[in-house]
Amino acid sequence: AQTVTQSQPEMSVQEAETVTLSCTYDTSESDYYLFWYKQPPSRQMILVIRQEAYKQQNATENRFSVNFQKAAKSFSLKISDSQLGDAAMYFCTLRTSYDKVIFGPGTSLSVIP
Amino acid sequence: EPEVTQTPSHQVTQMGQEVILRCVPISNHLYFYWYRQILGQKVEFLVSFYNNEISEKSEIFDDQFSVERPDGSNFTLKIRSTKLEDSAMYFCASSVNRRSEQYFGPGTRLTVT
Repeated sequence: AQTVTQSQPEMSVQEAETVTLSCTYDTSESDYYLFWYKQPPSRQMILVIRQEAYKQQNATENRFSVNFQKAAKSFSLKISDSQLGDAAMYFCTLRTSYDKVIFGPGTSLSVIP
Repeated sequence: EPEVTQTPSHQVTQMGQEVILRCVPISNHLYFYWYRQILGQKVEFLVSFYNNEISEKSEIFDDQFSVERPDGSNFTLKIRSTKLEDSAMYFCASSVNRRSEQYFGPGTRLTVT
Protein backbone atom coordinates (compact mmCIF):
# COMPACT_ATOMS: atom_id res chain seq x y z
CA ALA A 1 0.00 0.00 0.00
CA GLN A 2 1.13 3.53 -0.71
CA THR A 3 1.24 6.00 2.15
CA VAL A 4 2.29 9.59 2.66
CA THR A 5 3.17 10.92 6.10
CA GLN A 6 3.62 14.50 7.18
CA SER A 7 4.74 14.46 10.79
CA GLN A 8 4.28 18.19 11.42
CA PRO A 9 0.58 19.10 11.67
CA GLU A 10 1.51 22.76 12.27
CA MET A 11 4.58 24.89 11.68
CA SER A 12 5.35 28.56 12.02
CA VAL A 13 8.08 30.73 10.56
CA GLN A 14 9.13 34.32 10.93
CA GLU A 15 8.71 36.42 7.82
CA ALA A 16 11.90 36.37 5.68
CA GLU A 17 13.17 33.24 7.43
CA THR A 18 13.49 29.71 6.08
CA VAL A 19 11.31 26.77 7.00
CA THR A 20 11.40 23.08 6.05
CA LEU A 21 8.30 20.90 5.89
CA SER A 22 8.82 17.16 6.20
CA CYS A 23 7.28 14.38 4.17
CA THR A 24 7.96 10.67 4.02
CA TYR A 25 6.26 8.20 1.76
CA ASP A 26 6.09 4.53 1.01
CA THR A 27 5.55 2.81 -2.28
CA SER A 28 6.77 -0.40 -3.89
CA GLU A 29 6.81 1.17 -7.34
CA SER A 30 9.94 2.49 -8.97
CA ASP A 31 8.17 4.96 -11.26
CA TYR A 32 6.35 7.66 -9.33
CA TYR A 33 6.07 11.40 -8.92
CA LEU A 34 5.99 13.62 -5.90
CA PHE A 35 4.33 16.99 -5.57
CA TRP A 36 3.85 19.68 -2.99
CA TYR A 37 0.55 21.53 -3.15
CA LYS A 38 -0.45 24.62 -1.24
CA GLN A 39 -4.02 25.23 -0.07
CA PRO A 40 -4.61 28.78 1.19
CA PRO A 41 -7.80 29.75 3.05
CA SER A 42 -9.57 30.11 -0.30
CA ARG A 43 -9.19 26.29 -0.49
CA GLN A 44 -7.89 26.41 -4.04
CA MET A 45 -5.21 23.72 -4.50
CA ILE A 46 -2.08 25.25 -6.02
CA LEU A 47 0.95 23.33 -7.26
CA VAL A 48 4.17 24.41 -5.57
CA ILE A 49 6.76 22.01 -6.93
CA ARG A 50 7.14 18.57 -8.50
CA GLN A 51 9.81 15.87 -8.48
CA GLU A 52 10.16 12.83 -10.71
CA ALA A 53 11.47 9.80 -8.83
CA TYR A 54 13.94 8.93 -11.61
CA LYS A 55 15.64 12.33 -11.34
CA GLN A 56 18.36 12.61 -8.75
CA GLN A 57 18.54 16.39 -8.95
CA ASN A 58 16.38 18.19 -6.42
CA ALA A 59 13.68 20.37 -7.93
CA THR A 60 13.76 24.12 -7.36
CA GLU A 61 11.12 26.72 -8.08
CA ASN A 62 12.12 30.24 -7.06
CA ARG A 63 12.00 30.34 -3.23
CA PHE A 64 10.83 26.72 -3.01
CA SER A 65 13.13 23.73 -3.17
CA VAL A 66 12.96 20.09 -2.20
CA ASN A 67 15.33 17.65 -0.61
CA PHE A 68 14.51 14.35 -2.27
CA GLN A 69 16.12 11.34 -0.62
CA LYS A 70 14.90 8.37 -2.63
CA ALA A 71 16.50 5.64 -0.54
CA ALA A 72 15.05 7.12 2.63
CA LYS A 73 11.72 7.86 0.88
CA SER A 74 11.85 11.40 2.09
CA PHE A 75 10.65 14.51 0.25
CA SER A 76 10.94 17.69 2.28
CA LEU A 77 10.01 21.19 1.13
CA LYS A 78 12.16 24.19 1.95
CA ILE A 79 10.67 27.67 1.73
CA SER A 80 13.24 30.45 1.75
CA ASP A 81 12.59 34.12 2.50
CA SER A 82 9.09 33.28 3.77
CA GLN A 83 6.34 35.73 2.90
CA LEU A 84 2.95 36.35 4.46
CA GLY A 85 1.33 34.88 1.36
CA ASP A 86 3.03 31.56 2.04
CA ALA A 87 0.68 30.94 4.96
CA ALA A 88 -1.41 27.94 3.95
CA MET A 89 -1.90 24.22 4.33
CA TYR A 90 0.80 22.30 2.48
CA PHE A 91 0.16 18.82 1.16
CA CYS A 92 2.77 16.32 0.07
CA THR A 93 1.41 14.08 -2.67
CA LEU A 94 2.49 10.80 -4.22
CA ARG A 95 1.37 9.85 -7.70
CA THR A 96 2.12 6.37 -8.95
CA SER A 97 2.36 5.07 -12.47
CA TYR A 98 -1.02 3.43 -12.01
CA ASP A 99 -2.50 6.88 -11.59
CA LYS A 100 -3.40 6.47 -7.96
CA VAL A 101 -2.80 9.65 -6.04
CA ILE A 102 -2.20 9.81 -2.30
CA PHE A 103 -2.23 13.01 -0.26
CA GLY A 104 -0.47 13.40 3.05
CA PRO A 105 -2.46 14.79 5.99
CA GLY A 106 -1.04 18.28 5.50
CA THR A 107 1.04 20.79 7.43
CA SER A 108 -0.50 24.10 8.37
CA LEU A 109 2.10 26.84 7.97
CA SER A 110 1.77 30.18 9.73
CA VAL A 111 3.98 33.12 8.82
CA ILE A 112 4.67 35.58 11.63
CA PRO A 113 5.18 39.19 10.57
CA GLU B 1 -4.33 31.03 -18.39
CA PRO B 2 -6.54 27.95 -18.78
CA GLU B 3 -8.15 26.69 -15.62
CA VAL B 4 -10.38 23.93 -14.34
CA THR B 5 -13.86 25.12 -13.47
CA GLN B 6 -16.47 23.50 -11.24
CA THR B 7 -20.17 24.08 -10.75
CA PRO B 8 -21.95 24.69 -8.50
CA SER B 9 -19.67 26.25 -5.92
CA HIS B 10 -22.03 25.12 -3.16
CA GLN B 11 -24.73 22.47 -3.27
CA VAL B 12 -27.15 21.71 -0.46
CA THR B 13 -29.15 18.52 -0.72
CA GLN B 14 -31.24 16.27 1.46
CA MET B 15 -30.09 12.84 2.51
CA GLY B 16 -31.07 10.21 -0.02
CA GLN B 17 -31.14 12.62 -2.96
CA GLU B 18 -28.97 12.32 -6.04
CA VAL B 19 -26.45 15.02 -6.83
CA ILE B 20 -24.32 15.69 -9.87
CA LEU B 21 -21.17 17.74 -9.53
CA ARG B 22 -19.82 19.24 -12.71
CA CYS B 23 -16.32 20.01 -13.85
CA VAL B 24 -14.83 21.43 -17.03
CA PRO B 25 -11.20 20.31 -17.27
CA ILE B 26 -8.52 22.16 -19.20
CA SER B 27 -9.21 21.53 -22.87
CA ASN B 28 -6.06 19.65 -23.91
CA HIS B 29 -5.91 17.51 -20.78
CA LEU B 30 -6.62 13.80 -21.05
CA TYR B 31 -6.65 12.62 -17.44
CA PHE B 32 -9.35 13.58 -14.99
CA TYR B 33 -9.76 13.11 -11.25
CA TRP B 34 -12.13 13.60 -8.38
CA TYR B 35 -11.06 14.14 -4.76
CA ARG B 36 -12.92 15.00 -1.64
CA GLN B 37 -11.89 16.84 1.48
CA ILE B 38 -14.02 16.58 4.57
CA LEU B 39 -13.67 19.79 6.56
CA GLY B 40 -10.44 19.84 8.51
CA GLN B 41 -9.35 16.46 7.22
CA LYS B 42 -7.07 15.16 4.55
CA VAL B 43 -7.69 15.17 0.84
CA GLU B 44 -8.93 11.78 -0.33
CA PHE B 45 -8.55 10.41 -3.83
CA LEU B 46 -11.81 9.12 -5.28
CA VAL B 47 -11.24 8.22 -8.91
CA SER B 48 -9.14 8.80 -12.00
CA PHE B 49 -10.51 8.67 -15.53
CA TYR B 50 -8.84 8.32 -18.88
CA ASN B 51 -10.04 7.43 -22.36
CA ASN B 52 -13.63 7.22 -21.16
CA GLU B 53 -12.80 4.66 -18.53
CA ILE B 54 -12.02 4.62 -14.85
CA SER B 55 -8.30 3.94 -14.48
CA GLU B 56 -8.12 3.88 -10.69
CA LYS B 57 -10.57 4.23 -7.86
CA SER B 58 -10.35 4.22 -4.10
CA GLU B 59 -12.30 2.24 -1.54
CA ILE B 60 -14.50 5.28 -1.00
CA PHE B 61 -15.70 5.16 -4.60
CA ASP B 62 -18.40 2.55 -4.15
CA ASP B 63 -21.54 1.81 -6.13
CA GLN B 64 -23.11 5.06 -4.97
CA PHE B 65 -20.59 7.00 -7.05
CA SER B 66 -20.21 7.22 -10.78
CA VAL B 67 -18.31 9.43 -13.21
CA GLU B 68 -19.00 10.40 -16.75
CA ARG B 69 -17.64 12.53 -19.53
CA PRO B 70 -20.87 13.08 -21.40
CA ASP B 71 -19.88 15.52 -24.10
CA GLY B 72 -16.12 15.85 -24.47
CA SER B 73 -15.85 18.89 -22.23
CA ASN B 74 -17.71 18.19 -18.98
CA PHE B 75 -16.62 15.65 -16.41
CA THR B 76 -19.24 14.78 -13.83
CA LEU B 77 -19.40 13.02 -10.49
CA LYS B 78 -22.75 11.57 -9.50
CA ILE B 79 -23.69 10.47 -6.03
CA ARG B 80 -26.85 8.41 -6.28
CA SER B 81 -28.20 8.52 -2.74
CA THR B 82 -26.37 11.01 -0.58
CA LYS B 83 -25.52 10.36 3.03
CA LEU B 84 -24.69 12.83 5.77
CA GLU B 85 -21.06 11.70 5.62
CA ASP B 86 -20.84 12.73 1.96
CA SER B 87 -20.74 16.34 3.12
CA ALA B 88 -17.35 17.60 1.96
CA MET B 89 -15.52 19.75 -0.53
CA TYR B 90 -15.20 17.94 -3.84
CA PHE B 91 -12.31 18.85 -6.09
CA CYS B 92 -11.94 18.04 -9.75
CA ALA B 93 -8.48 17.95 -11.32
CA SER B 94 -7.02 17.33 -14.75
CA SER B 95 -3.60 16.70 -16.24
CA VAL B 96 -2.05 16.34 -19.66
CA ASN B 97 -0.63 12.92 -18.89
CA ARG B 98 0.30 10.69 -15.97
CA ARG B 99 3.68 12.33 -15.58
CA SER B 100 2.50 15.90 -15.33
CA GLU B 101 1.06 17.85 -12.47
CA GLN B 102 -2.64 18.04 -11.84
CA TYR B 103 -4.53 21.29 -12.04
CA PHE B 104 -7.33 21.61 -9.55
CA GLY B 105 -10.66 23.33 -9.79
CA PRO B 106 -11.91 25.60 -7.00
CA GLY B 107 -14.09 22.86 -5.54
CA THR B 108 -17.78 22.27 -4.87
CA ARG B 109 -18.90 22.34 -1.28
CA LEU B 110 -21.55 19.65 -0.80
CA THR B 111 -23.74 19.85 2.25
CA VAL B 112 -26.08 16.95 2.96
CA THR B 113 -28.83 17.66 5.48
